[in-house]
Amino acid sequence: AQSVSQHNHHVILSEAASLELGCNYSYGGTVNLFWYVQYPGQHLQLLLKYFSGDPLVKGIKGFEAEFIKSKFSFNLRKPSVQWSDTAEYFCAVNYGGTSYGKLTFGQGTILTVHP
Amino acid sequence: DTGVSQDPRHKITKRGQNVTFRCDPISEHNRLYWYRQTLGQGPEFLTYFQNEAQLEKSRLLSDRFSAERPKGSFSTLEIQRTEQGDSAMYLCASSSQGAETQYFGPGTRLLVL
Repeated sequence: AQSVSQHNHHVILSEAASLELGCNYSYGGTVNLFWYVQYPGQHLQLLLKYFSGDPLVKGIKGFEAEFIKSKFSFNLRKPSVQWSDTAEYFCAVNYGGTSYGKLTFGQGTILTVHP
Repeated sequence: DTGVSQDPRHKITKRGQNVTFRCDPISEHNRLYWYRQTLGQGPEFLTYFQNEAQLEKSRLLSDRFSAERPKGSFSTLEIQRTEQGDSAMYLCASSSQGAETQYFGPGTRLLVL
């Protein structure tokens, strides 16, 4: 079955700490990969995406993610977090490339950044 | 581009009642998706339209659930004979064909008493 796993349910960091959130997905075929963020009281917003090409993708607000096909992983990173990064982060996969519409989401990681 | 909108934002209903939610996608987006999100979980796919055609339905979508997109613009999701287990956030998203980035609305939070 197609599934997406996020390793950490809740991550607590201090400002300026480095962040890495893990995401692994099942299935070895063509995938499109996404990270979405949900700030408190707001709707899901796209942080970054990978369709093809350079496996290191950069998104908004200094976030980046690396696609490692051999590990079925798409981990999210940020060198130095800010208090405003406090949010819930979701990894999502579109299996089958552009042929299929649905996204399969991980269970989410809540990030709390202390000032 | 005014974003994806959903109405209502909150709905409280009694078990056994029918409810209907509306989603207005970003204009000219021909793909529209419904997801359901429960506490502590990521969104789960329910169904997907390309224009007015419903192309895929999840097994999560029981016979009590029906979705329509009659003119290829807005969509409605109806739940008949609601159950307490239907309590969740119902999310709508839209995308343009070929772009595959889905833009989400604010959701409709349903509470079934």
